[in-house]
Amino acid sequence: GENVEQHPSTLSVQEGDSAVIKCTYSDSASNYFPWYKQELGKRPQLIIDIRSNVGEKKDQRIAVTLNKTAKHFSLHITETQPEDSAVYFCAASIRGSYIPTFGRGTSLIVHP
Amino acid sequence: GAVVSQHPSWVICKSGTSVKIECRSLDFQATTMFWYRQFPKQSLMLMATSNEGSKATYEQGVEKDKFLINHASLTLSTLTVTSAHPEDSSFYICSARDERGNSYNEQFFGPGTRLTVL
Repeated sequence: GENVEQHPSTLSVQEGDSAVIKCTYSDSASNYFPWYKQELGKRPQLIIDIRSNVGEKKDQRIAVTLNKTAKHFSLHITETQPEDSAVYFCAASIRGSYIPTFGRGTSLIVHP
Repeated sequence: GAVVSQHPSWVICKSGTSVKIECRSLDFQATTMFWYRQFPKQSLMLMATSNEGSKATYEQGVEKDKFLINHASLTLSTLTVTSAHPEDSSFYICSARDERGNSYNEQFFGPGTRLTVL
């Protein structure tokens, strides 16, 4: 089955800095890569996703890049704000399956 | 976007009792729902896939007799933790996929249920 590795497990930045979270996946059949943000005690919420026919996608301060050859994808958050503090999960879904495999999560702390 | 609700949001029970958690898709129908378990500071662990009108598909290592899943309608799936023990204490989250069209593989998560077994 699919295996998703996520790094780092913890990321601490100053407000205004950029944050980058990286994930790798094992199954070349994966074609959908969502990123979820989970605040403490709350549900995961989709913040951005990318499909394998696209190399990069941007939504305001958030961007995701995908390298299919290397089987890795990254989340980039620019101009970080304290409210960006949360746990971020990457995930990968294999073509034809709607069940994502999640990474272990990255706890992002943005210091004011 | 699609909305998924869960009830209760938290529950405290005595060891040996059973607890039922409901997951509802409020504005869409879902033939498939998913149940996850999340320990503190850890990732989401898929427990089982709930299929409307048929048996659930359990992930390896998850006891189907311990975690009973019933998907009786296109908007409701229930997870019953039978004979709960302290080690079953966890955050249980369900999700569903809106199959109507453009959302593709996107999972919509419920708010989760915090189970504490004394």
